[in-house]
Amino acid sequence: EAQVTQNPRYLITVTGKKLTVTCSQNMNHEYMSWYRQDPGLGLRQIYYSMNVEVTDKGDVPEGYKVSRKEKRNFPLILESPSPNQTSLYFCASSPGLVWVEQFFGPGTRLTVL
Amino acid sequence: GENVEQHPSTLSVQEGDSAVIKCTYSDSASNYFPWYKQELGKRPQLIIDIRSNVGEKKDQRIAVTLNKTAKHFSLHITETQPEDSAVYFCAAIDTGANSKLTFGKGITLSVRP
Repeated sequence: EAQVTQNPRYLITVTGKKLTVTCSQNMNHEYMSWYRQDPGLGLRQIYYSMNVEVTDKGDVPEGYKVSRKEKRNFPLILESPSPNQTSLYFCASSPGLVWVEQFFGPGTRLTVL
Repeated sequence: GENVEQHPSTLSVQEGDSAVIKCTYSDSASNYFPWYKQELGKRPQLIIDIRSNVGEKKDQRIAVTLNKTAKHFSLHITETQPEDSAVYFCAAIDTGANSKLTFGKGITLSVRP
């Protein structure tokens, strides 16, 4: 089944404790992206990747890191999480430069205490 | 950069009536405009999109219209049903310049039975 998976789905952590949210897609998509969703602010892009080893900042990259060592995986890293990073996070992928549908993962609900 | 605004932030309609959701964008070079639907607790999913070389696109009960001169595009849902209740996000991008999709803040549509 074609899909985007994220892990964990729910996470409660404390300020400063490094964490990684994994994202994986099995559709051979070139483009992958991370968004955060906050009430009243919609979907805001954190980072995106056009292909392996190619990443770029979105609108709200501060406090986050990403890597794209393999085509299928695009992990989101919070080196020192803070309470303002409490949010719902979505990973998404799409086939490439010709814009078509982005497929979203199921979301990760992160709470930073 | 691109700025996408959605109005109103909430919309309530009676079942069977039509709903129109409007978005404006700021970058006249934007040429791809998708609409995503997010049901409660679910991931966003593409419902329709339009490219700048057409003015209207229909898919059963939904349609999107684009006015490039005024820089706005609208989602039209006819014969609304309770399952149309969701948050709807519009987005815009200049596919020739970058790969950063900018979303609006979302509109909550409620369809009253």
